[in-house]
Amino acid sequence: EAGVAQSPRYKIIEKRQSVAFWCNPISGHATLYWYQQILGQGPKLLIQFQNNGVVDDSQLPKDRFSAERLKGVDSTLKIQPAKLEDSAVYLCASSLTGSGRQFFGPGTRLTVL
Amino acid sequence: QQQVKQSPQSLIVQKGGISIINCAYENTAFDYFPWYQQFPGKGPALLIAIRPDVSEKKEGRFTISFNKSAKQFSLHIMDSQPGDSATYFCAASISTDKLIFGTGTRLQVFP
Repeated sequence: EAGVAQSPRYKIIEKRQSVAFWCNPISGHATLYWYQQILGQGPKLLIQFQNNGVVDDSQLPKDRFSAERLKGVDSTLKIQPAKLEDSAVYLCASSLTGSGRQFFGPGTRLTVL
Repeated sequence: QQQVKQSPQSLIVQKGGISIINCAYENTAFDYFPWYQQFPGKGPALLIAIRPDVSEKKEGRFTISFNKSAKQFSLHIMDSQPGDSATYFCAASISTDKLIFGTGTRLQVFP
């Protein structure tokens, strides 16, 4: 079974630039999550989708972050404009609805200079 | 009240020893407590999980001990191996949904 795919794996940008991350969840997983993991900390949920609807985006900085999940499969997370404090690993995870077990992708390491 | 506090921040154990990582929470509505293992450059992977209706769950060398009255739970790794060297995160959620992660424990097991 293929895991959660993410791209790119690494991205370096300058502050005020924009960046986008892509995630392809495990086939059949209706729930998709985006997490931000700052170095030395645990992952923090940014947004949760159920199919193509948003379930929770309470911790998403909506002035600069946006996410979408068209057709309830792939998802993209965008940052515009980026700030230095956005440097982190952005993790995508997916799960079967209500299963509790989240499968994580390898993440995208973002460095903002 | 949404925090999950994890300790220690780092842990060094000799091969064959027992590794113990502790977590504490405040929100009594939490009803799902997983532990995730993360290797460098990889995403976290579910190791073992427990619900508050049991006090202990064991899977191979990994055991979760749960103390509902103290609002604490811990991960015990028996016969620790160098391959167990990783960062471990406890987490908590309500109805398996939004996971709140601890700050992580970096475990190093030396031969």
